[in-house]
Amino acid sequence: DGGITQSPKYLFRKEGQNVTLSCEQNLNHDAMYWYRQDPGQGLRLIYYSQIVNDFQKGDIAEGYSVSREKKESFPLTVTSAQKNPTAFYLCASSPRGNEKLFFGSGTQLSVL
Amino acid sequence: SQELEQSPQSLIVQEGKNLTINCTSSKTLYGLYWYKQKYGEGLIFLMMLQKGGEEKSHEKITAKLDEKKQQSSLHITASQPSHAGIYLCGADPNAGNNRKLIWGLGTSLAVNP
Repeated sequence: DGGITQSPKYLFRKEGQNVTLSCEQNLNHDAMYWYRQDPGQGLRLIYYSQIVNDFQKGDIAEGYSVSREKKESFPLTVTSAQKNPTAFYLCASSPRGNEKLFFGSGTQLSVL
Repeated sequence: SQELEQSPQSLIVQEGKNLTINCTSSKTLYGLYWYKQKYGEGLIFLMMLQKGGEEKSHEKITAKLDEKKQQSSLHITASQPSHAGIYLCGADPNAGNNRKLIWGLGTSLAVNP
């Protein structure tokens, strides 16, 4: 079955540590996105990528980094510069930039 | 900045009852998406509306976009416990650009058996 897979489901970060969230899709979608979801706030875009080897900052990119070396993969690194990383992170993809988004099941990141 | 307002914030209904969730923008929208989310899980696509006056249905869920393309409603007929979850609307405030979707805060729905 085609879909978008996020791992791990739960992740804990220690002070000063970088952590990487995985996002893989086998839908052959060109565009991929990372969102952050906090209670009481709408989804906020962190980074997006329209094609391989290219990505752009979203609304809250500070403290995060991404790469898009392969069409099917779009990992997100939460760096130590992100001072409030506790949130639910959602990865999404779409065939092109103007069609509906398909979401992964999310990763809950917490700080130890 | 443009925002999407969802109402109500939360809703508790008895199984079998009908309900409506609204999503309102101050500006014209070029695409309106409805998603459902179970707590701690990803978003499941329900429907997409693009044209003023458009209406779509899937099983017992109907979504409409008004003529001005500034308000959408999601209506559930004869609600069931399986309808429980968080309903989110997302919208494209520009023409065909998913990079800048805006999102409502969600409506939490509980259905009592």
